[in-house]
Amino acid sequence: AQKVTQAQTEISVVEKEDVTLDCVYETRDTTYYLFWYKQPPSGELVFLIRRNSFDEQNEISGRYSWNFQKSTSSFNFTITASQVVDSAVYFCALSDSNTGNQFYFGTGTSLTVIP
Amino acid sequence: KAGVTQTPRYLIKTRGQQVTLSCSPISGHRSVSWYQQTPGQGLQFLFEYFSETQRNKGNFPGRFSGRQFSNSRSEMNVSTLELGDSALYLCASRGTVTTNEKLFFGSGTQLSVL
Repeated sequence: AQKVTQAQTEISVVEKEDVTLDCVYETRDTTYYLFWYKQPPSGELVFLIRRNSFDEQNEISGRYSWNFQKSTSSFNFTITASQVVDSAVYFCALSDSNTGNQFYFGTGTSLTVIP
Repeated sequence: KAGVTQTPRYLIKTRGQQVTLSCSPISGHRSVSWYQQTPGQGLQFLFEYFSETQRNKGNFPGRFSGRQFSNSRSEMNVSTLELGDSALYLCASRGTVTTNEKLFFGSGTQLSVL
């Protein structure tokens, strides 16, 4: 069965600290995609990154970086030098063809960056 | 290009009533999905429509239903409202339904059932 686990419910960090959000997934499919979304207080989920199951290269985009490891079924997200504007709920999600490409979301991690 | 539009933004209903929520996808997108978000539960999948046909359905009672029109706009209906239906209802659209296609979300409708 498909499942996404975000064990960290809430995280608080002081501004400029680095923070890593964990995501562990389960799927029997060999072809799948992983996503991260950010939900600010306004409510709308904003797409951050997409990764396919065949590409384990880490990715860096400004202060954001993602570490994808198939061996541990993890797709972790790191924010370097956090800022107050990073405060939001972050969701990890999985899409695979076995279930008609339906999205499975984790329960989210609420990040608070304290100034 | 306009984003996903959901109306209304806020809604207050009482138990036993029914409610209809509306979602207009991004122009050209033929898939619309609905999610229920409650504190601690994350996003629970309700259903997805593509070209007016329901593709997938989540594990929700029959009180939750939806439809999609020929212009891809979608409505979600909840009948006989219960207190537990209070939640943020999010709509998302995508152009196709392939594995790599990302979802674009609206700002949601906050439903409060009293």
